[in-house]
Amino acid sequence: IAGITQAPTSQILAAGRRMTLRCTQDMRHNAMYWYRQDLGLGLRLIHYSNTAGTTGKGEVPDGYSVSRANTDDFPLTLASAVPSQTSVYFCASSGASGDNEQFFGPGTRLTVL
Amino acid sequence: KNEVEQSPQNLTAQEGEFITINCSYSVGISALHWLQQHPGGGIVSLFMLSSGKKKHGRLIATINIQEKHSSLHITASHPRDSAVYICAVARTYKYIFGTGTRLKVLA
Repeated sequence: IAGITQAPTSQILAAGRRMTLRCTQDMRHNAMYWYRQDLGLGLRLIHYSNTAGTTGKGEVPDGYSVSRANTDDFPLTLASAVPSQTSVYFCASSGASGDNEQFFGPGTRLTVL
Repeated sequence: KNEVEQSPQNLTAQEGEFITINCSYSVGISALHWLQQHPGGGIVSLFMLSSGKKKHGRLIATINIQEKHSSLHITASHPRDSAVYICAVARTYKYIFGTGTRLKVLA
C-alpha cells in the first residue's frame, strides 16, 4: 500500500441497505477525513478523526457514522442508504490535525437507487 | 458569501496561453492548498503554501496573507491541463474548500 486506498471503487446500492466504505492509509497520519463531492457543491466534510479513538462531526454528518479503532483505518458506514447519498466519497489524511497537508484517496462512486 | 471564493468559475483557453486562477478567503488560515481534479478522477495535490511563492514545472502559486488572496498560474498551457482546480484553506482541524475552477484548454 502506498498512500491512501479506498474500497470499493464504485458501488450501486438499493435504498435501505447498509454499506461501509473503507479507507486505509499507510503514512501513519494522525488525522483522517471523509468528504462527499456533489456537482455544484464542491467537497463537504462528513466526519473527521484527529487521532485514533476520537471522531467528530463535519458539515454533513447525518445518515453517516465512522469509527477509528486504529491509526490506519477509517471506515464510513451508511446504516440505511437513501438516494440523496448518491455521491463520490473521498477519504483524506494529514500528518497533524488542521495545519498539515491533506492527502486524498482515489474516491468511491456510490449510487443509491 | 462563501468563506473561500474562486474565480473564474469556468475558463476556456487556447493551448499555449498563460492562465491565472484566483482564490480569495475571508478567514484566518494557517496555509492554503491548491488541488487538481481531472474529470472522473482523483484529487491531486499541487501546492501547499503559507507565504510567498512556489513553482513546479509550468505551475506557479503565490499567496498574499495580508490581502487574503492566492493565485495559481499555468504557463504555456496544454490540453492535459484541462481539469478542475480547487483552492482549500487550512483552518484549525479542517479545510474550507472553494467550489473550483473548471479549466478547458483547447488544442
